[in-house]
Amino acid sequence: GENVEQHPSTLSVQEGDSAVIKCTYSDSASNYFPWYKQELGKRPQLIIDIRSNVGEKKDQRIAVTLNKTAKHFSLHITETQPEDSAVYFCAASRSNTGKLIFGQGTTLQVKP
Amino acid sequence: EAQVTQNPRYLITVTGKKLTVTCSQNMNHEYMSWYRQDPGLGLRQIYYSMNVEVTDKGDVPEGYKVSRKEKRNFPLILESPSPNQTSLYFCASSFARDLYVDYTFGSGTRLTVV
Repeated sequence: GENVEQHPSTLSVQEGDSAVIKCTYSDSASNYFPWYKQELGKRPQLIIDIRSNVGEKKDQRIAVTLNKTAKHFSLHITETQPEDSAVYFCAASRSNTGKLIFGQGTTLQVKP
Repeated sequence: EAQVTQNPRYLITVTGKKLTVTCSQNMNHEYMSWYRQDPGLGLRQIYYSMNVEVTDKGDVPEGYKVSRKEKRNFPLILESPSPNQTSLYFCASSFARDLYVDYTFGSGTRLTVV
């Protein structure tokens, strides 16, 4: 069935360093890939997304890349700050279904 | 304001006592779903609904029921809750257009079954 694998499960970086989270999806028909940030006790919030017709998208300190051939996509956070500490989820979707398949989540800790 | 409203936010109950968690959206979204979140396991889908009277099982449906009698409401029913259903639950609604899925989560319901 449809599956999204996310790695690593935990990531600890020093403030100012970069962080990379990687996901692999199984459904080759997936064409929409959002990333969510979830702070403790709160709902997941969309931070960036990428569609299958582009390979890379950037928004200030965060960027996503997509390799459709390998069915990989990644989240890159540069110049990390303590407020980036949270759980991050990747997801994949066939956009005509409205259904998201989530990865298992990555707990990012940014040490001051 | 576009939103998904879940109630209650917190609930402590006893084993076997039926409960319902309500979910309502005001965006006219066709697709709604329920997730549970447990440490280290991410967001696991319980049930989803693609429209009124159309529901299907997600990855972890055992012990849960849902109904979709109206487009805006998608309640989650636990007929006989057990301690292994202690979790954080999220309702979500979504709308798909072009290469984009507009996905909105509720605030979550933290359920404890003792």
